[in-house]
Amino acid sequence: EIVMTQSPATLSVSPGERATLSCRASQSVGGNLAWYQQKPGQAPRLLISAAATRATGIPARFSGSGSGTEFTLTINSLQSEDVAIYYCQQYNEWPPLFGQGTKVEIK
Amino acid sequence: QVQLVQSGGELKKPGASVKVSCKASGYTFGSYGLIWVRQAPGQGLEWMGWISGYNGNANYVRKFQGRVTMTIDTSTTTAYMELGNLRSDDTAVYYCARDAGKEWLRIDYWGQGTLVTVSS
Repeated sequence: EIVMTQSPATLSVSPGERATLSCRASQSVGGNLAWYQQKPGQAPRLLISAAATRATGIPARFSGSGSGTEFTLTINSLQSEDVAIYYCQQYNEWPPLFGQGTKVEIK
Repeated sequence: QVQLVQSGGELKKPGASVKVSCKASGYTFGSYGLIWVRQAPGQGLEWMGWISGYNGNANYVRKFQGRVTMTIDTSTTTAYMELGNLRSDDTAVYYCARDAGKEWLRIDYWGQGTLVTVSS
């Protein structure tokens, strides 16, 4: 099975600054990588699919990049409502495992 | 709009079974599969399995094989997840979610979650 590793575990960023989250796959997943956002007390929601395609209604300050085994989620100009845990997930093959998550906090 | 509405929280004793329902609406039920994911308190997301909304074929993650059964009722557009032989470490929020069609291993909509507590 493909293991997904996210870093860092926690990221503290000042409002208006950029947050950069990493996700690494133990083997290539091509471009079949999704990012989900989970705010406190809420269900997750889809942010990005196909490594770089924003889901409907997701603000442009969220962007994804990467392919193969290395992926990045960037949040430009962090806002207070972006405080959440962010999970990556490969959907290239079964089982489609999640990473362990990166918690984004306001500094 | 797509909606996935799950049943309410459950309190179960160790060794018992729990069955969680997920009522789907706002789309053609048979054109998408449903996915079950769980999240233990303070922990990450754990994929449990997938079931076809068309014919009820299911795939389970190895960890849950033999203990989980996923079913659908197309007449009521409802999916069910039954987990047996419950242990305390099965205490978690259980989410149903809809797959993304052709990308059947990706989730595009989530239910609100159902808290299952296992305690004697």
